Amino acid sequence: AQTVTQSQPEMSVQEAETVTLSCTYDTSESDYYLFWYKQPPSRQMILVIRQEAYKQQNATENRFSVNFQKAAKSFSLKISDSQLGDAAMYFCAYRGETSGSRLTFGEGTQLTVNP
Amino acid sequence: GAGVSQSPRYKVAKRGQDVALRCDPISGHVSLFWYQQALGQGPEFLTYFQNEAQLDKSGLPSDRFFAERPEGSVSTLKIQRTQQEDSAVYLCASSYPRGAGPLSSYNSPLHFGNGTRLTVT
Repeated sequence: AQTVTQSQPEMSVQEAETVTLSCTYDTSESDYYLFWYKQPPSRQMILVIRQEAYKQQNATENRFSVNFQKAAKSFSLKISDSQLGDAAMYFCAYRGETSGSRLTFGEGTQLTVNP
Repeated sequence: GAGVSQSPRYKVAKRGQDVALRCDPISGHVSLFWYQQALGQGPEFLTYFQNEAQLDKSGLPSDRFFAERPEGSVSTLKIQRTQQEDSAVYLCASSYPRGAGPLSSYNSPLHFGNGTRLTVT
């Protein structure tokens, strides 16, 4: 079974600074997707960024980028120029070719942005 | 609205009561998922529908949990004889616009609702 691990329960960053959230996963599948979701207090899970395993180039979305290390099974999220609105719970998630469309989530990292 | 809508937003039930949680997916979305999120944890998969067919219910924790999507649109998650351990946020998500093609089933992003917070006292 696939597992997703986020080893940082909490992180904090100063406004305008850069922060990196860690995620590792375990799988025997060759084709899969990885995601970062943001969950503010409203509880809605918002897709931040996604990476297809067969693509070597790291995904970027404005201030958000990932460092995807397939051999190491690592998928970290970098947030540049942090803003107060970035404060939320961040979840790393995995979707594999044999797991249908279901997502497997990590435990989450609570990000605080200090003004 | 254009998003996934869930109701009620909050539900308090006494232990032993039955509850029904509703999900209105994005119009035209084929796939619908239910997840359970305990306090301070990541969401865990409960069940998955493709149109009206329940293709995967392997995540349902017990036979007290039942989900349906009779017309391939709105879905209801029912919990019978609620227990305290059922207290959680229940998230619904939809994806895969109808007509998008079979490969899109796998790579379509999930759109989540705001969830229903269930508290069993």
